[in-house]
Amino acid sequence: DVKVTQSSRYLVKRTGEKVFLECVQDMDHENMFWYRQDPGLGLRLIYFSYDVKMKEKGDIPEGYSVSREKKERFSLILESASTNQTSMYLCASSGRTYEQYFGPGTRLTVT
Amino acid sequence: AQSVTQLGSHVSVSEGALVLLRCNYSSSVPPYLFWYVQYPNQGLQLLLKYTSAATLVKGINGFEAEFKKSETSFHLTKPSAHMSDAAEYFCAVQKTSYDKVIFGPGTSLSVIP
Repeated sequence: DVKVTQSSRYLVKRTGEKVFLECVQDMDHENMFWYRQDPGLGLRLIYFSYDVKMKEKGDIPEGYSVSREKKERFSLILESASTNQTSMYLCASSGRTYEQYFGPGTRLTVT
Repeated sequence: AQSVTQLGSHVSVSEGALVLLRCNYSSSVPPYLFWYVQYPNQGLQLLLKYTSAATLVKGINGFEAEFKKSETSFHLTKPSAHMSDAAEYFCAVQKTSYDKVIFGPGTSLSVIP
């Protein structure tokens, strides 16, 4: 079974803090993705990566950065967390069969 | 730009009744189509996918979907709803393997005992 794990299920941070969300997949997938999910807005793509050290902006990259130093790991970084970044963050990976495999999500609250 | 429409943000059915969740997409070519399910406080899980093989696709948990090119639709059905089917369902489209996946806004399914 494909497994995508995320470092935390719940996270509470203060405004201005630097936040790291980690995602690891164990299926040797080339592609990895970060989404945020908000009520009424569905899933919105923040960043994605098609290979190690490669990254592409998604639809809402402002306020975020990413890092992919190893194939299995894709990190999302909030340089200076703000209250409008309170959300559910979902990581996903995909390989040659196109469908995406999702992690359990991290519910981030910024106070 | 591609888009995905899911008619009805919330659908309620009785236990044992037919489940029908609607999905329409805009695409100039037959795309890859997916249905995902999300249970409370979990990530999304693939239910089924269409990748230009059979137009009727069977998935997990008794769900199936039919690709209709003329209607640009990919509706999800299940003959008999079960309480455990209560969840959020997302339709998604991907034009080619190199394109981003576009997700619909989701439909929340409630199953009434």
